[in-house]
Amino acid sequence: SQTIHQWPATLVQPVGSPLSLECTVEGTSNPNLYWYRQAAGRGLQLLFYSVGIGQISSEVPQNLSASRPQDRQFILSSKKLLLSDSGFYLCACEGEKLFFGSGTQLSVL
Amino acid sequence: TQLLEQSPQFLSIQEGENLTVYCNSSSVFSSLQWYRQEPGEGPVLLVTVVTGGEVKKLKRLTFQFGDARKDSSLHITAAQPGDTGLYLCAGGTGNQFYFGTGTSLTVIP
Repeated sequence: SQTIHQWPATLVQPVGSPLSLECTVEGTSNPNLYWYRQAAGRGLQLLFYSVGIGQISSEVPQNLSASRPQDRQFILSSKKLLLSDSGFYLCACEGEKLFFGSGTQLSVL
Repeated sequence: TQLLEQSPQFLSIQEGENLTVYCNSSSVFSSLQWYRQEPGEGPVLLVTVVTGGEVKKLKRLTFQFGDARKDSSLHITAAQPGDTGLYLCAGGTGNQFYFGTGTSLTVIP
């Protein structure tokens, strides 16, 4: 069965600092991978999705970037965080259904 | 970006009451999913519907996919406090999954 590992669970970063969130997947090969962001109590906004190594599609222009250096690794990054980057970030993997990681609560202060 | 609007945004009801949550879009989706999310956790899939007009039942929950595959509804019969949570619809098209704006349900004992 598929398992998604996402870390860290919480992160507090100052404005202007870099960001790296990592997501790894077990139990599947060549999965479609996704990064979503969620405001409190609201729906999920699709940020990036990847259908394979090195293949990244961006849904919205923003301060963030994504990379997929390995088949089961998906990384969300920023060179300089903005206050508006705060939110709950979720990594997801598509198998028979969409599996989600446990999320990272990012606070930019 | 394909937008799915959910209504109502917030819903607070007494235990035992019935309720319906709606998910509407101007876009056609190949599939539509409903998720339930607890605070600080990733969404958990409840059901997937793929055929226009399809109705699925999961115990006290009834899900319907619109004939044109643009909208869906979730009906809960005799709501219980354990039903409390954030309900999200998500439309699938190609490799992307777009989430609705969310409905926060509170069932009061």
